[in-house]
Amino acid sequence: KAGVTQTPRYLIKTRGQQVTLSCSPISGHRSVSWYQQTPGQGLQFLFEYFSETQRNKGNFPGRFSGRQFSNSRSEMNVSTLELGDSALYLCASSSQGADTQYFGPGTRLTVL
Amino acid sequence: AQKITQTQPGMFVQEKEAVTLDCTYDTSDQSYGLFWYKQPSSGEMIFLIYQGSYDEQNATEGRYSLNFQKARKSANLVISASQLGDSAMYFCAMRPLIQGAQKLVFGQGTRLTINP
Repeated sequence: KAGVTQTPRYLIKTRGQQVTLSCSPISGHRSVSWYQQTPGQGLQFLFEYFSETQRNKGNFPGRFSGRQFSNSRSEMNVSTLELGDSALYLCASSSQGADTQYFGPGTRLTVL
Repeated sequence: AQKITQTQPGMFVQEKEAVTLDCTYDTSDQSYGLFWYKQPSSGEMIFLIYQGSYDEQNATEGRYSLNFQKARKSANLVISASQLGDSAMYFCAMRPLIQGAQKLVFGQGTRLTINP
């Protein structure tokens, strides 16, 4: 079974731009969660989608948004990029009711 | 609120030795899950082992075992017979075992270096 995939793997953007990251979960998994990892703040939960609905949300500004499609693929969007948005963005998927989240390789975003 | 504390920023171990990575947690939830993940320099978080708060036996997965002491709120990861490929960041994480509660709370991590 293929693992979680994320595209692109690397992105360089400038302040004020917007960016869209994509995540394809493990086949059959309906829950997709997004995390931001920075050296200063560590790993922080952004949001979780299940059956195309945002089910949980972390403490991030409204510039961070996401969505999930009927095939469980998910995208996250960051608008009006700031230097502090430079981070590794990790996506994780899990099946309904299961305990374990499986992560993708991440997208490394650099904001200049 | 939940909190995970990993007090060892870095550890250095000789190859083939056993190593214990510390993790303590705090939660008001009655039922919760504890996880360990490995993150190599490539960035991907690799799931290692899971322990439910209701499990009476410590979890084991190959060379990994979880030393779960509920009364002390600790969930230490033990790696037996360490290998060079074990060099990575290791994160302890937890979440409540409530349907729909997918948010994982992570510790700050421990950087493990295996010396030949």
